[in-house]
Amino acid sequence: GQQLNQSPQSMFIQEGEDVSMNCTSSSIFNTWLWYKQEPGEGPVLLIALYKAGELTSNGRLTAQFGITRKDSFLNISASIPSDVGIYFCAGQLRGSSNTGKLIFGQGTTLQVKP
Amino acid sequence: DGGITQSPKYLFRKEGQNVTLSCEQNLNHDAMYWYRQDPGQGLRLIYYSQIVNDFQKGDIAEGYSVSREKKESFPLTVTSAQKNPTAFYLCASSISQGRRNSNQPQHFGDGTRLSIL
Repeated sequence: GQQLNQSPQSMFIQEGEDVSMNCTSSSIFNTWLWYKQEPGEGPVLLIALYKAGELTSNGRLTAQFGITRKDSFLNISASIPSDVGIYFCAGQLRGSSNTGKLIFGQGTTLQVKP
Repeated sequence: DGGITQSPKYLFRKEGQNVTLSCEQNLNHDAMYWYRQDPGQGLRLIYYSQIVNDFQKGDIAEGYSVSREKKESFPLTVTSAQKNPTAFYLCASSISQGRRNSNQPQHFGDGTRLSIL
């Protein structure tokens, strides 16, 4: 099936540092979503992107929909301990909007050292 | 409060047993989804339903069954045919996609962790 390549797989950073992660694919997407999952809980939507080139912020989080529509990145500025979790990208392929089906990346595990 | 409720939080299955995971939403969403999550992997789609009394197989439907008799409920049964059922199961819902490119995001419940006895 279709795949999203999410990197890095894991990150261990110092509090206050900035973080960047991305997802790439060989396919074209109409929508990019970024979720955060904490242990034992379901993913929570952070940012939704709907147009190529779109840059959207949510507090210290910024995400962009790549111009080619095949990639997206998420940046976290000035990380804090509560940023710890698994971050997932998810995309909706062009042509699948009538089903709402999403393809998920493998996740980026973020650990923040106080 | 509106949201998606999954129950139970933890579930144990014996060999040869069918078990059913509950998912209820009061968001008035038309579309509902079931995913399986294994350690170190992304979410994989099991089944989805865009409207009451209709559902489609996802990427890993073998060994699972669903029903959608009510808009707010989408239970998942893990049958004895599923030989490796140990996983974290997540239910999601979204506003109906309709025929236009509405691209509504999915919202998730808190999951059910299924283990084998």
